[in-house]
Order: sequence, then C-alpha cells, then structure tokens
Amino acid sequence: TQLLEQSPQFLSIQEGENLTVYCNSSSVFSSLQWYRQEPGEGPVLLVTVVTGGEVKKLKRLTFQFGDARKDSSLHITAAQPGDTGLYLCAGGWGGGATNKLIFGTGTLLAVQP
Amino acid sequence: GAVVSQHPSWVICKSGTSVKIECRSLDFQATTMFWYRQFPKQSLMLMATSNEGSKATYEQGVEKDKFLINHASLTLSTLTVTSAHPEDSSFYICSASRREQFFGPGTRLTVL
Repeated sequence: TQLLEQSPQFLSIQEGENLTVYCNSSSVFSSLQWYRQEPGEGPVLLVTVVTGGEVKKLKRLTFQFGDARKDSSLHITAAQPGDTGLYLCAGGWGGGATNKLIFGTGTLLAVQP
Repeated sequence: GAVVSQHPSWVICKSGTSVKIECRSLDFQATTMFWYRQFPKQSLMLMATSNEGSKATYEQGVEKDKFLINHASLTLSTLTVTSAHPEDSSFYICSASRREQFFGPGTRLTVL
C-alpha cells in the first residue's frame, strides 16, 4: 500500500515555465522531506518541513506543508534544464535517527531548453 | 559533512551467486542505516532498517533470509543478496541516519 501519492507522475515542460508537484496522503506525518534524484545516483535532500502550514523557500523552489500535515507541495518558478530529475517526497513519523521514511510515488520532471 | 558511500557502484553476477553491498558513513557515526531498492523510474521502497549491534528490522514482504543485513559498526552496514536471481536485479540504495537520512549513491545489481 502506497501511503504517499504524488502528482503528476510525469511532467515535461519548457524552460521558464512554472510547475507544482503535489504529495498527498491520508496519514499524518511528523515531518516531510523533499528529495531530488538524478539517474544512477542517490536522492539528495532539498528540504524538511515539520510544522503544519509551514512554507520554505529555496531559491526558485517553494515548499509547503499542509495544515493537517497530510500533504505537501513543491512549486518551481521559471524552471531550468538543471531542474530535471525525479522528485520524491518522503514522510516520517517521530524524530531522531531511527525515523523511518516512506517515499512517495515520485514525479519525473523534464525541462526542455 | 554527512557523506555516505556504497561499494560497489555496480555489479553483475550469475544467477545463484551471492552479492555483498557495503554502505559506509564517512564522516559521522550512524546507529541506524536503511536499505532501499528502486526499480527504473520508480520510487524507493524501504527494505529494512539496519541497527548497529542488533538484528535488522525488515519491511513486510522482504525475505530476511534472502537479504541478509549486518551492521557491524557505527559506520558500516552490509546487505548480502543470497542466491540472487534475475528478479533481484535492481538499484539498491542505503542511507545513514543522523536525525535526517543521508543517502549513498546506490549500487546497480544485474543478475544474469
């Protein structure tokens, strides 16, 4: 059973366009992370959100955690070819080093120059 | 900081053989490491939680006798795929945890 559903599954856009990726769940999480993964490499952490309603910005990327801590979104402004990759959300319960993560279904983004 | 390495980065083996994959945290000690597998263009599926000094905790549906995990020290966890078959071919990724999880670069296993 996949607890975290991402949409869209695939997205191909032109350079300069904006996009939003959604991560939805029926479960409540203590924290939610967003990762970006390139082919043949491990995921790289982009951001962690822990508070319901929290908004974090990382340059052209804006992350929001839902008020109920069940969903999240990632918005990219003026996408660039370097943004191409697999975007993964991951939810965790509890805290600390033993915090297990459940990954979302993934969104494969391709930004065409 | 927070660098995690995996070895080998890729391996090809014959069906029926066993393959060991190492996961090392290079600049911090990790009492907990995690092992994931990933199929092409799909998400990561957690296989097991590796605990230093104790038995690993496996996720539902993961055969513990097939995927042997040993967490020998605070910087090393190993995953051994025993009697590998073509359906075990996948991308195996580990992470080491220090509040947040830091991921290794992955190991591509191909079983012929």
